[in-house]
Amino acid sequence: AQTVTQSQPEMSVQEAETVTLSCTYDTSESDYYLFWYKQPPSRQMILVIRQEAYKQQNATENRFSVNFQKAAKSFSLKISDSQLGDAAMYFCAYRSANFNKFYFGSGTKLNVKP
Amino acid sequence: GAVVSQHPSRVICKSGTSVKIECRSLDFQATTMFWYRQFPKKSLMLMATSNEGSKATYEQGVEKDKFLINHASLTLSTLTVTSAHPEDSSFYICSARTSGMSFKTQYFGPGTRLLVL
Repeated sequence: AQTVTQSQPEMSVQEAETVTLSCTYDTSESDYYLFWYKQPPSRQMILVIRQEAYKQQNATENRFSVNFQKAAKSFSLKISDSQLGDAAMYFCAYRSANFNKFYFGSGTKLNVKP
Repeated sequence: GAVVSQHPSRVICKSGTSVKIECRSLDFQATTMFWYRQFPKKSLMLMATSNEGSKATYEQGVEKDKFLINHASLTLSTLTVTSAHPEDSSFYICSARTSGMSFKTQYFGPGTRLLVL
């Protein structure tokens, strides 16, 4: 089975600064999708950004970008110009191209300091 | 974007009773729905996957007779916790997707907090 590892249980960043959250995964598949989800205190899971494994170009969504290293099986999330509203749990997730099932990492709690 | 709702958002019940949680896709037809369980400060644990009109596929270790899932229509799936016990207290989250969605992503409901006394 695929595994997703987030090695940083908790991180802090100063408002307006940049922070990078790490995620590694283990798979033998060549075609898959990777996601970052945000879960604020309301507990609503919100899709932040997504990446198709066959695309070499890193995905970007406004202040959020990823560093996708397929050979290293690494998928880090960079948040630029951090805002107080970015404070939340962030989950990295993997999905096979052929199967419906998502695999989630254990999450990283991001604190944003004013 | 795609919207998924859950009802109720919070429920308290007595031990031994059954509780039904509804998950609805509001602006798309959900060919597949997923039910997750999340313990405090933990990740999401997939309980089962349901496709419209067919039986749910349960993950290993999840009791199918205890957690009944019905996906009778393309916009509604229900999770019934039968004979609930305090250890069933948790946060239950559903998600939904349709085959037409790009990136084959899923959209999450806001979750239901179940407390069994």
